[in-house]
Amino acid sequence: KAGVTQTPRYLIKTRGQQVTLSCSPISGHRSVSWYQQTPGQGLQFLFEYFSETQRNKGNFPGRFSGRQFSNSRSEMNVSTLELGDSALYLCASARDQQETQYFGPGTRLLVL
Amino acid sequence: EDQVTQSPEALRLQEGESSSLNCSYTVSGLRGLFWYRQDPGKGPEFLFTLYSAGEEKEKERLKATLTKKESFLHITAPKPEDSATYLCAVQAGGYSTLTFGKGTMLLVSP
Repeated sequence: KAGVTQTPRYLIKTRGQQVTLSCSPISGHRSVSWYQQTPGQGLQFLFEYFSETQRNKGNFPGRFSGRQFSNSRSEMNVSTLELGDSALYLCASARDQQETQYFGPGTRLLVL
Repeated sequence: EDQVTQSPEALRLQEGESSSLNCSYTVSGLRGLFWYRQDPGKGPEFLFTLYSAGEEKEKERLKATLTKKESFLHITAPKPEDSATYLCAVQAGGYSTLTFGKGTMLLVSP
């Protein structure tokens, strides 16, 4: 069974730009969560989607948004990028809500 | 607010030298405690889920245990390929959100 895939794997943007990251969950998984990982803060929860609906949101500004499609694939968008948004963005999928989450390889975003 | 504290931050072992990593937590209604392994530049890899105090799970050289306040990841006779960052996370009842600790960076020397 294929694992969670994320595209692109690496991205370089400049301040003020926006970016869209994509996540394809494990086949049959309906829950997708997004996390931001930085050296200083570790892994922090961004949001969770289930059945195309955002179920929970972390403590991040409104510049961070996401969505889920009917095939469970998910995208997250960051608008008006700031230097502090440089991080590894991880997507995790689960068969159902509150079940074990399996992570993708992440998208490394560098904001210059 | 859910909190997870892992110790030590870093641990260096000789090959074959057994040790334990600690994960202390405070959570409103624990639903599950998760252990992941993360190699540099990669996403976390799932290891174990523990649901109730007294539960234990094993996989090769790793054994995870859970009490009402903390979890231990015991590493028996580690090998260099066990070198990685080990992450602990908790999930509260009613939510899918994982709250992570900062991790323990393990280095096993031959």
